[in-house]
Amino acid sequence: KQEVTQIPAALSVPEGENLVLNCSFTDSAIYNLQWFRQDPGKGLTSLLLIQSSQREQTSGRLNASLDKSSGRSTLYIAASQPGDSATYLCAVRGSNYQLIWGAGTKLIIKP
Amino acid sequence: ETGVTQSPTHLIKTRGQQVTLRCSSQSGHNTVSWYQQALGQGPQFIFQYYREEENGRGNFPPRFSGLQFPNYSSELNVNALELDDSALYLCASSRDGMNTEAFFGQGTRLTVV
Repeated sequence: KQEVTQIPAALSVPEGENLVLNCSFTDSAIYNLQWFRQDPGKGLTSLLLIQSSQREQTSGRLNASLDKSSGRSTLYIAASQPGDSATYLCAVRGSNYQLIWGAGTKLIIKP
Repeated sequence: ETGVTQSPTHLIKTRGQQVTLRCSSQSGHNTVSWYQQALGQGPQFIFQYYREEENGRGNFPPRFSGLQFPNYSSELNVNALELDDSALYLCASSRDGMNTEAFFGQGTRLTVV
């Protein structure tokens, strides 16, 4: 049974710092991994999608990596801004169609 | 290209009642999936519809049911509501295939009292 873990559960850093969020999964048989952002009480905004055959994806200040063999993905945020404050979730898609989710990392960027 | 929209945004129901939540998928998408998200947790998969047929289901009881229409919009129905059904219900749409990106609506906040 696939399990997804995100560490840390919460993170508070000063504005301008570069930071890394971690996501680990127990079953390497995945189709893809997706990172999302969720603002309080809101829906999910897709940030990056990494296919199982890819090693990384970049979008602006965000870079996500995938190491399928070790069951790990990282989301790197460069030059953090207060507007980056949100909960970040990772989800993996396996052969049974569904996305399996971590519980998220709550990120606070202090001005 | 229009995004995924859900209605209503908020809803309060009494235990034992029935509720219908609606989702309009993103233009060009034929797959819709529904998730339940309790406070402080990651979403849990309820089911998925592909071209009007259910093709995947999570660990939810039969009182959670759904439909997908020819225009690929979808409904989630929950019968005999329980207090624990209070959650954010999220709808996602994607193009067919396993490797495509999922796009989510803003969710429906259901409160059962």
